[in-house]
Amino acid sequence: SQKIEQNSEALNIQEGKTATLTCNYTNYSPAYLQWYRQDPGRGPVFLLLIRENEKEKRKERLKVTFDTTLKQSLFHITASQPADSATYLCALEGRMNTGFQKLVFGTGTRLLVSP
Amino acid sequence: DADVTQTPRNRITKTGKRIMLECSQTKGHDRMYWYRQDPGLGLRLIYYSFDVKDINKGEISDGYSVSRQAQAKFSLSLESAIPNQTALYFCATSDYQETQYFGPGTRLLVL
Repeated sequence: SQKIEQNSEALNIQEGKTATLTCNYTNYSPAYLQWYRQDPGRGPVFLLLIRENEKEKRKERLKVTFDTTLKQSLFHITASQPADSATYLCALEGRMNTGFQKLVFGTGTRLLVSP
Repeated sequence: DADVTQTPRNRITKTGKRIMLECSQTKGHDRMYWYRQDPGLGLRLIYYSFDVKDINKGEISDGYSVSRQAQAKFSLSLESAIPNQTALYFCATSDYQETQYFGPGTRLLVL
């Protein structure tokens, strides 16, 4: 069956370090993968999209990689700050039985950046 | 002002009651979605709509119904609420691109 896995354990790092979050998937062949940030009590906010033919995407302190052979995406935050503390969700394209391409979300990994 | 708004933000109701959650957007997007989020389960799609005349069931539509009153408005109804519908509900929109824009959520508790 199709599955997306994100580490359910919170990731604790020190301010200034690089945070690396992992998203693994099985039985999907997504054309793209997205990362969202979610703060407590708020809706997810889009951060980055990477397509299957792209190995890496950057936006300011964020970097995403996409390895379709390993079926894995890594999400990096460099020079992390306490304000980066949040839950990060990966989402990828999945297809329903009707043929509709919907976003399938992982359960998210909570990042805690301490001063 | 927020692009995607949801009302109410919090709601407590009793088993068997009918409730409606409302969503409005000012992004001008045709596509709108309703999701629920439960701890450990992530976001799951309840219903989606590509325009006013196009409404489709998602992966967990049983016990829910929707109404697309206009391009900007998409409502979710629980005809007879039950305790396992206690969850955080999100409305989202998108244009022809894949990125989705979420509302602030409605926290629903069914007693």
